Amino acid sequence: NAGVTQTPKFQVLKTGQSMTLQCAQDMNHNSMYWYRQDPGMGLRLIYYSASEGTTDKGEVPNGYNVSRLNKREFSLRLESAAPSQTSVYFCASSGYLLYEQYFGPGTRLTVT
Amino acid sequence: QKEVEQNSGPLSVPEGAIASLNCTYSDRGSQSFFWYRQYSGKSPELIMSIYSNGDKEDGRFTAQLNKASQYVSLLIRDSQPSDSATYLCAVNKDTGNQFYFGTGTSLTVIP
Repeated sequence: NAGVTQTPKFQVLKTGQSMTLQCAQDMNHNSMYWYRQDPGMGLRLIYYSASEGTTDKGEVPNGYNVSRLNKREFSLRLESAAPSQTSVYFCASSGYLLYEQYFGPGTRLTVT
Repeated sequence: QKEVEQNSGPLSVPEGAIASLNCTYSDRGSQSFFWYRQYSGKSPELIMSIYSNGDKEDGRFTAQLNKASQYVSLLIRDSQPSDSATYLCAVNKDTGNQFYFGTGTSLTVIP
């Protein structure tokens, strides 16, 4: 089992460009999450999907969109990247009831 | 007020000692509590989860929860240099999926 996988691992964008971060899990988890991690700010929840077909905003959703493509896959889209979106992005998944989250390896994004 | 607060450290302990990491949270309605370990440049890794008041032990790790004081702690017994990492406290506010993380405590175990 690969657990949670993310692509790409690294990305450099220019201001205004768009991109989609991909996440997939093979643990049959219902819930999936997108976080960003910035120095001194900790992990902050961007969006989550409690189950296939549903998505909800987290703490910092502005500038992002998400798609829960199926039970395995949850993508994060930046429509018009800004330097403030330079961060490390983590995808996570959790099963039902216990909410123990398992994280992917992360995507390091730089917006210039 | 932050949802979850941790002392950022750094915390240094000698090898073999007990490391004590603390976390407070602001919402009394919080239901689930987690400790993650994160090595530099890596993703967070779940160490412990705790859902009710009291202690929960797993190997060298003990999580302690006091809902009345809104306080969660992690004790690491017989600390090893491989325990050197940043430890993140996370709180789930209700039975949904809104999670809040502290900024982490950096732990160094000195050989």
